[in-house]
Amino acid sequence: AQSVTQPDIHITVSEGASLELRCNYSYGATPYLFWYVQSPGQGLQLLLKYFSGDTLVQGIKGFEAEFKRSQSSFNLRKPSVHWSDAAEYFCAVGASGTYKYIFGTGTRLKVLA
Amino acid sequence: DAGVTQSPTHLIKTRGQQVTLRCSPKSGHDTVSWYQQALGQGPQFIFQYYEEEERQRGNFPDRFSGHQFPNYSSELNVNALLLGDSALYLCASSLWDQETQYFGPGTRLLVL
Repeated sequence: AQSVTQPDIHITVSEGASLELRCNYSYGATPYLFWYVQSPGQGLQLLLKYFSGDTLVQGIKGFEAEFKRSQSSFNLRKPSVHWSDAAEYFCAVGASGTYKYIFGTGTRLKVLA
Repeated sequence: DAGVTQSPTHLIKTRGQQVTLRCSPKSGHDTVSWYQQALGQGPQFIFQYYEEEERQRGNFPDRFSGHQFPNYSSELNVNALLLGDSALYLCASSLWDQETQYFGPGTRLLVL
């Protein structure tokens, strides 16, 4: 079955610390992978995406993610977190020829001043 | 460049009623997808519309129906509302042959 797992429901980091949010997927086809961020009461904003090629992808707001096929993972990283990064982060998977995304349950990030 | 817009922002209905939510896609986009996001969950795919036809559907009952207009805007209709239909309903737009979807701010529906 197709699925996306975000093992960490909540993560708390101090401002200026590094961040890694985990995402594991189970998908039969070659996946397209996405990270979205959702601020309270808001819709989803695309941070970055991976379709093919270089397995390290850069996104907006200083985020990056690395695709590791052998581990079925697509972890999101940021070297130095800002207070404004506090939000919920969703990993999603799609594929060529299928039009829906499958989302994880999200990781809520709290940033301590 | 206008992004995806949705209306209304909030809505309160009672069980058994019907509701219509509206979405205008990002400028230049021709495909609209709808997702339901229950509290504390990730979004779940309801269906996608392209060329005024439903192209793919998720695991939602027939109470959920949609429509796409010639200007690519879309409506989501839910009949016979249940308490469990309370959620944030997200619309996403894309180009027909591209995988990246851009989301609107959502409509929060509360069913009492």
